[in-house]
This record gives sequence, structure tokens and C-alpha cells, in this order.
Amino acid sequence: GENVEQHPSTLSVQEGDSAVIKCTYSDSASNYFPWYKQELGKGPQLIIDIRSNVGEKKDQRIAVTLNKTAKHFSLHITETQPEDSAVYFCAASTSSNTGKLIFGQGTTLQVKP
Amino acid sequence: DARVTQTPRHKVTEMGQEVTMRCQPILGHNTVFWYRQTMMQGLELLAYFRNRAPLDDSGMPKDRFSAEMPDATLATLKIQPSEPRDSAVYFCASGLVPSGSLYEQFFGPGTRLTVL
Repeated sequence: GENVEQHPSTLSVQEGDSAVIKCTYSDSASNYFPWYKQELGKGPQLIIDIRSNVGEKKDQRIAVTLNKTAKHFSLHITETQPEDSAVYFCAASTSSNTGKLIFGQGTTLQVKP
Repeated sequence: DARVTQTPRHKVTEMGQEVTMRCQPILGHNTVFWYRQTMMQGLELLAYFRNRAPLDDSGMPKDRFSAEMPDATLATLKIQPSEPRDSAVYFCASGLVPSGSLYEQFFGPGTRLTVL
């Protein structure tokens, strides 16, 4: 069935370094790939998304890349700050086009000051 | 500032009791999702609705869970009887499908359920 794999499950970086989180998906019909950030005690919030007709998208310190052929996409955070510490989820839309998203298992990012 | 609201934020109950969680989606959104989050399972989709009609509830244990949308401003998730393994954070999310933002989902703050 539809599946999204996310790696790594935990990531620790020094403030100012870059962080990269990778996801692979199984449904070749997926056409929308959002990334959510979840802070402690809160619900996930969308931070960036990309559609299948785009290979890369950037918003200040965060960027997402998509390789449709290989069916994988990545989140890149540059110049990390302590406030970037959170759980990050990738997701992919399903071919049913109902708005349903399949989420990865999450990556806990810790940025050490 | 439009946002999804959920009540209660925290619920502690004893095994066997009925639990009802409520969600108010963002006004104008036509799709509502219920998720369960545990440390082991990540974000698990339980059920979702389009225009108040259930589209898929295959992720929900049917014997004890039920989800409804009595009206466009209220979605409910009920567990009866509750069990300790139901302890988790339950999130509601809403979205507008189709839309220019494609499939963006807006999450509520969650209900943290503890079943003793």
C-alpha cells in the first residue's frame, strides 16, 4: 500500500550547521509533498510544501527538493537555530486526490546552542 | 485568525468509560481528518470526512471508535469503552479540497487522552 519512509528518526546538530531530512514514497501518483513542524505540546504546522511539477523550493533558511524519478524528497535547513528544535514530518498525497496525506514517522531534530 | 479548535485539551479517564473528543474545523473547510499520535506509531489516520460524509474510516477500530460530523462546525470522535491502549494524543485537522493550496491540512492543538 501507500507508504512514506522518513530518515533519520533523530538528528542532532550544532547551532549554525545544516540539517537534512530525507523521505521516500511509494505511490508514483503522489503530486503534493508537505513538511510539517511539531513543537512540544502543539499540533503539526506546515512549514513548506512542493508540488510534483517543481524540483526545488526555498523559503529563507528552509528548502525542499524533489526527485520524482527516484520517488524521494528532502528537507534542508541551513544555519540552524535552537528554535528549529522540533519533530519534523514529511508527507505525500495519495492518488485518490481526496486530500488524504500519508505521513512519515517523524524526525526529532535537536539543535545544540 | 482562523484555526482548528479541539476540546478537551486533556482527558484522564478510567478504563471502560466513554470518551468524546470534539473538533471545530476552520470555517469554510470541507474536509476533516482525525489522527492519533503515539510515540511508536507516529501520526496515524483514523478517519476523514468530506462535506460531512465519511470518506474513509479504515484506520479506526470499529468495535469501540466512532466518528461523526453532526454539522459543518463540529466533528466528534468517540471511544466506548475506552482501554489503556487508547492513551495517545488525538489531533483533528481540516482542509479545503480542492483548492489552490492543494492538500494543506491545518491541525488543531490536540486532545491528550490518558486511560487508566
